[in-house]
Amino acid sequence: QQQVKQSPQSLIVQKGGISIINCAYENTAFDYFPWYQQFPGKGPALLIAIRPDVSEKKEGRFTISFNKSAKQFSLHIMDSQPGDSATYFCAAIVYSSASKIIFGSGTRLSIRP
Amino acid sequence: GAVVSQHPSRVICKSGTSVKIECRSLDFQATTMFWYRQFPKKSLMLMATSNEGSKATYEQGVEKDKFLINHASLTLSTLTVTSAHPEDSSFYICSAMPTSGLYEQYFGPGTRLTVT
Repeated sequence: QQQVKQSPQSLIVQKGGISIINCAYENTAFDYFPWYQQFPGKGPALLIAIRPDVSEKKEGRFTISFNKSAKQFSLHIMDSQPGDSATYFCAAIVYSSASKIIFGSGTRLSIRP
Repeated sequence: GAVVSQHPSRVICKSGTSVKIECRSLDFQATTMFWYRQFPKKSLMLMATSNEGSKATYEQGVEKDKFLINHASLTLSTLTVTSAHPEDSSFYICSAMPTSGLYEQYFGPGTRLTVT
């Protein structure tokens, strides 16, 4: 099973609040989990990524929490800002499978000023 | 940082004509490039994997003869939409994986194709 399930589909957060996006996967062969940020009319850009042997990774206001036993991972955006308004995709990669990226369905995040 | 460009950024063509989209890695070499298609408010759908010097590998359901891919060098891959029809209108995005990399892929800015 190659699917990566992402929720919620859309999210509205007040400025300064915490935005949380969740993803779940089935394939235990996945060995790299990136998050991408995409603005309208632009290509996605890598935001932060984690490997399954780590439970948490933090870069600035962005944190990935990873639960290997539950096969779930989430993105937390602290002190959310209007400039964070974008679509976020979680993803998973199996290096041995020609590094194909399996994308989640995306979350449209809106930060209210 | 690694930069990937796409040209053109927007193209409008008439039904029945062919359109070529270029994807270039500007500051790194990429043995492997990927082509995606994205419909409005939807996720990216992988169309094919392009390897320099060899034939592209297409995903199930993607017509090889309609979407011609050529990876002529370590910095350039092209996607040609042949005999385009209105249903081919979409946002096409490429990504490039550095030859020296393991997982990282860098995405281009995308090409908006409109077929009239």
